Amino acid sequence: RKEVEQDPGPFNVPEGATVAFNCTYSNSASQSFFWYRQDCRKEPKLLMSVYSSGNEDGRFTAQLNRASQYISLLIRDSKLSDSATYLCVVTAEAPYTGTASKLTFGTGTRLQVTL
Amino acid sequence: DAGVIQSPRHEVTEMGQEVTLRCKPISGHNSLFWYRQTMMRGLELLIYFNNNVPIDDSGMPEDRFSAKMPNASFSTLKIQPSEPRDSAVYFCASSRILSGANVLTFGAGSRLTVL
Repeated sequence: RKEVEQDPGPFNVPEGATVAFNCTYSNSASQSFFWYRQDCRKEPKLLMSVYSSGNEDGRFTAQLNRASQYISLLIRDSKLSDSATYLCVVTAEAPYTGTASKLTFGTGTRLQVTL
Repeated sequence: DAGVIQSPRHEVTEMGQEVTLRCKPISGHNSLFWYRQTMMRGLELLIYFNNNVPIDDSGMPEDRFSAKMPNASFSTLKIQPSEPRDSAVYFCASSRILSGANVLTFGAGSRLTVL
């Protein structure tokens, strides 16, 4: 089983639609969770962190379910510019030492927003 | 801030040749990651360094791959000898701790084609 699994998509949605992606992880000791966005032929960029209580940033909402070991990303009122691949990222150790721990990426879910 | 700088951006080489990829992390970041991305396997962590020390190289495919970080501002990933299956985009990323979590900033990537 992969450490981090995502539905590759593509998700084709019309502009203005609401779309949700899920990501499951296998390591119950995972501590930190993120969503990154990657545009075609570009590098991944941080979209948002995912907190235990859930968090929102404008049209984007991230949720964490530790019991079921999944995180989700909800995009409301989708825009053409939201078209990209969304990568789920999980870390196993809390970086209490002030240095980084291993980040594992899912293979990504591709979103295509159309007119 | 110039971000994470990688070179070369593109490289085409023949099987058996040595390939050296270079990375300059963001000043002040104390962790550096090398990832490889292919369509089939997504983003795979090859190796990462904390304070110039290799922490986890379990993702390095085989002995043909080696990575060094001689100082805080420079890292190399070397493939010798290269093979066609090494063709991929190689990303370098550097990290700092933000609110107790890693935040990765990626370079633009080095696209390697081995003929």
